[in-house]
Amino acid sequence: ETGVTQSPTHLIKTRGQQVTLRCSSQSGHNTVSWYQQALGQGPQFIFQYYREEENGRGNFPPRFSGLQFPNYSSELNVNALELDDSALYLCASSLKGQGEAFFGQGTRLTVV
Amino acid sequence: GNSVTQMEGPVTLSEEAFLTINCTYTATGYPSLFWYVQYPGEGLQLLLKATKADDKGSNKGFEATYRKETTSFHLEKGSVQVSDSAVYFCALSPYNTDKLIFGTGTRLQVFP
Repeated sequence: ETGVTQSPTHLIKTRGQQVTLRCSSQSGHNTVSWYQQALGQGPQFIFQYYREEENGRGNFPPRFSGLQFPNYSSELNVNALELDDSALYLCASSLKGQGEAFFGQGTRLTVV
Repeated sequence: GNSVTQMEGPVTLSEEAFLTINCTYTATGYPSLFWYVQYPGEGLQLLLKATKADDKGSNKGFEATYRKETTSFHLEKGSVQVSDSAVYFCALSPYNTDKLIFGTGTRLQVFP
């Protein structure tokens, strides 16, 4: 059984650029969620995907978007990067309705 | 709305001391409650969970009881080890959703 894997582990981007982060869900899971964790804070829910459709969104602007693929892998895209987007981005996969999420190691994004 | 409040850290203890990390929540309906742990440089790992009132979650010597009357889910361990040093996050999942709402985290430091 493979766990949740994210790539890349670290990334440095310039303000105004666009970034794509990737996540491979745990085998058998059909739901993926993305979280943003600023330094010293708890993770904040960005959005969730189930069966390739967005299934809930937190308080994040539209420049944060996502995709879920038929194999349940997922992408998080952020356009027009701002300095405040610097954070650890966590992907979590789960089986819908089970309420137990498994997290990847995260992608550390630094915007300069 | 839904929210989680944790005691601020750091919590500093000697090995074999008793641990309590307080967590209270605000939620509509009947959420599920979780404790996650984050070791340095790693993602979040589920420590324990409880899905209904009076349930007790337990794992690796840690325990927490879902108290609806006090809207609390305090984490306890009878005898901490140096290896327990990490950041602990209390979280809730609103009823019939798979998203998580986290507290700000409590850093635990255990010294020999």
